[in-house]
Amino acid sequence: SQQGEEDPQALSIQEGENATMNCSYKTSINNLQWYRQNSGRGLVHLILIRSNEREKHSGRLRVTLDTSKKSSSLLITASRAADTASYFCATDATGNQFYFGTGTSLTVIP
Amino acid sequence: NAGVTQTPKFRVLKTGQSMTLLCAQDMNHEYMYWYRQDPGMGLRLIHYSVGEGTTAKGEVPDGYNVSRLKKQNFLLGLESAAPSQTSVYFCASSYLGANYGYTFGSGTRLTVV
Repeated sequence: SQQGEEDPQALSIQEGENATMNCSYKTSINNLQWYRQNSGRGLVHLILIRSNEREKHSGRLRVTLDTSKKSSSLLITASRAADTASYFCATDATGNQFYFGTGTSLTVIP
Repeated sequence: NAGVTQTPKFRVLKTGQSMTLLCAQDMNHEYMYWYRQDPGMGLRLIHYSVGEGTTAKGEVPDGYNVSRLKKQNFLLGLESAAPSQTSVYFCASSYLGANYGYTFGSGTRLTVV
């Protein structure tokens, strides 16, 4: 399976701290994306990083990609209670579809 | 803009019944997808479409059929529902596939008893 796997499965931090979650995948990819899912809601696209990119930023989000290790990380800086959600990485190999991991559940304690 | 709209939001079916889930997008996206989300399994792709009149199988297509007669709509059908199809179903659309982010609907929670 090309499915990405997030690590850790669950993460609990204090508000203001940084949160880091990782994604590992098995096959070569074209792109990797990160999504957020609030409880009971659909997924929201956060950031896309292409295979020829090593790092991207969007606001308080920083994503890195290491294709040699087949891994990516998502860093959320200065976390807020509103960041409490599940975070998923999604990888593609074919160009038509993404495969999603099982997610990291982040809890930010006020 | 409504984005991606899924109907219904909740449904309870008896084993053997049939139903159709509707996904509608108003962003003129070419690509549309149906996923199911189960605890501990992440999202798994059921079927997808790369344009009006086209469909293709994903990871877990058995027991489902789809149709894309109009560009803005993507229908997911269950011909004979089984308890194993109890899940949350998400529709997503994308401008031109995996080089662009997906826009997801809010989901349909289906229970088969």
